[in-house]
Amino acid sequence: AQRVTQPEKLLSVFKGAPVELKCNYSYSGSPELFWYVQYSRQRLQLLLRHISRESIKGFTADLNKGETSFHLKKPFAQEEDSAMYYCALLSVGGYNKLIFGAGTRLAVHP
Amino acid sequence: GAVVSQHPSWVICKSGTSVKIECRSLDFQATTMFWYRQFPKQSLMLMATSNEGSKATYEQGVEKDKFLINHASLTLSTLTVTSAHPEDSSFYICSARAQRGVSYNEQFFGPGTRLTVL
Repeated sequence: AQRVTQPEKLLSVFKGAPVELKCNYSYSGSPELFWYVQYSRQRLQLLLRHISRESIKGFTADLNKGETSFHLKKPFAQEEDSAMYYCALLSVGGYNKLIFGAGTRLAVHP
Repeated sequence: GAVVSQHPSWVICKSGTSVKIECRSLDFQATTMFWYRQFPKQSLMLMATSNEGSKATYEQGVEKDKFLINHASLTLSTLTVTSAHPEDSSFYICSARAQRGVSYNEQFFGPGTRLTVL
């Protein structure tokens, strides 16, 4: 079964602390994974995708096929990073739909 | 680029009436659009995949006669909630999938429509 698991509903850190939002997936084949972010009262937007291997707003995510993980990391959290973060897996075949995790709310305190 | 709009942004209706929500890709063509439902503090639940010129593909448990989807052009998909009831109150979000280029397979999301059924 294709599935995305984000085990933490809430991650609360202080400004300047490192952040790691966990994402594990279940998929047979070569996965394509994304991180989407939803700031308060704003639409969902793409943060990064593993195939582009970019660092966006200081965030990085590495695909670990052995651990079936795609954790999102940032060395120094900022208050403006507070948002909902969703990990998503592309379900190839048919119409290439996204399978979303439950989401993790990141709260960065001053 | 790659902007998706939804209209209306919020709607209040009486129980038993039908409500139509529009999703437009403003600066790109999308043969495939997706409709999601999001409950407060929860993730997005995919309802259906909207395909230009053909019937929508519904996820298991979603009533196709209740949630009518029409994708009449490459830039417009509509979701009609028929005979709405209070339990249909939710936040409905659409997305459009990029067909080509560096954004291939990326979904661009609309701002959402909040439906409240009285």
